Amino acid sequence: GEDVEQSLFLSVREGDSSVINCTYTDSSSTYLYWYKQEPGAGLQLLTYIFSNMDMKQDQRLTVLLNKKDKHLSLRIADTQTGDSAIYFCASDYGQNFVFGPGTRLSVLP
Amino acid sequence: EAQVTQNPRYLITVTGKKLTVTCSQNMNHEYMSWYRQDPGLGLRQIYYSMNVEVTDKGDVPEGYKVSRKEKRNFPLILESPSPNQTSLYFCASSPALGPYNEQFFGPGTRLTVL
Repeated sequence: GEDVEQSLFLSVREGDSSVINCTYTDSSSTYLYWYKQEPGAGLQLLTYIFSNMDMKQDQRLTVLLNKKDKHLSLRIADTQTGDSAIYFCASDYGQNFVFGPGTRLSVLP
Repeated sequence: EAQVTQNPRYLITVTGKKLTVTCSQNMNHEYMSWYRQDPGLGLRQIYYSMNVEVTDKGDVPEGYKVSRKEKRNFPLILESPSPNQTSLYFCASSPALGPYNEQFFGPGTRLTVL
């Protein structure tokens, strides 16, 4: 089945860019997603990219998809303290969703 | 307000005592799903349902049951809970399976099995 991997932790300084990386194994995903989980809350969809695209920009967020390497990244420009959260990448694999383990982003003042 | 609700939000129980976690959505979504979240493992899908009376196993279904008698409700049943089911559980729903499928998540249920 599908396997989605992410590094578990990332620390950046306020105002810098954050880049969160994700790799997946199955190339049949239709969409790839980034979800954000703030402390004590459920997940909220941040953005998504269709599998035949290689880039999507949405305000401070840029998603890059390298299908050949099965690599997905989320770049957050001008990272703020409110961006501190856990970020999950996910793929729709058949009738399931498969989530990565989540990357905990810490934003230092 | 469009939302997914779960009850209870917190539950401490003992091994073997049957429990049910309810999930309800008011968005007329067809697809509903249960996940458990454990540190370092992310979210793992337990069961999902594509519509009323249609349920299927996710990645970690052992020890769980679900039912989907009505579109809005998708309860998660632990017939005989064990300590390894201590976890944070999320219910989610989405309009349907298709090219674009945003899932809406409930607030989570933190379950401790002693």
